[in-house]
Amino acid sequence: KNEVEQSPQNLTAQEGEFITINCSYSVGISALHWLQQHPGGGIVSLFMLSSGKKKHGRLIATINIQEKHSSLHITASHPRDSAVYICAARGAGGGADGLTFGKGTHLIIQP
Amino acid sequence: DAGVIQSPRHEVTEMGQEVTLRCKPISGHDYLFWYRQTMMRGLELLIYFNNNVPIDDSGMPEDRFSAKVPNASFSTLKIQPSEPRDSAVYFCASSTLWVDEQFFGPGTRLTVL
Repeated sequence: KNEVEQSPQNLTAQEGEFITINCSYSVGISALHWLQQHPGGGIVSLFMLSSGKKKHGRLIATINIQEKHSSLHITASHPRDSAVYICAARGAGGGADGLTFGKGTHLIIQP
Repeated sequence: DAGVIQSPRHEVTEMGQEVTLRCKPISGHDYLFWYRQTMMRGLELLIYFNNNVPIDDSGMPEDRFSAKVPNASFSTLKIQPSEPRDSAVYFCASSTLWVDEQFFGPGTRLTVL
């Protein structure tokens, strides 16, 4: 079973700061997901990537398959970015590999 | 499309009672997933289906849990009998492909007293 580790667990920053959240996994994967969970509990899929880099607005996700590591960056952070960010590793197979989730990074952006 | 719909949004029940959680996936999505989220364990995949057929139920905690997709537009997750340790938020998600973005429902917060 894949082991997924996220860091940091908690992060408090000032508005405008550049934010980096890290995710590492132990076993080869077919894809990695970044999810955002709002304070109200809803979950939104931000990115799904299997190589390279993806960008959406102020959010950038990168993955290094060889190093089994992914990062989520937020540029010009804003209080509305405050949420829990969760990475999830999708196994190479379609069965028992399933999805393994990190414990999440609780991000607070102060105005 | 209204997105993934779950009901009820909140459920409070007593230990030993049967609980049924419901999910309506996005139309046209062939994959349906049930997750559980707790403070201690975070998000866990319980079971997922492809075209109404269960593919992997290795995350289902024990025989008290069962799930099915009677038709393409509806799924249920049943707990019988319920126990206090089943208290959690249960999410349903759907996607078009296994390796595709998943769309999550709002979740059902279950409290078993």
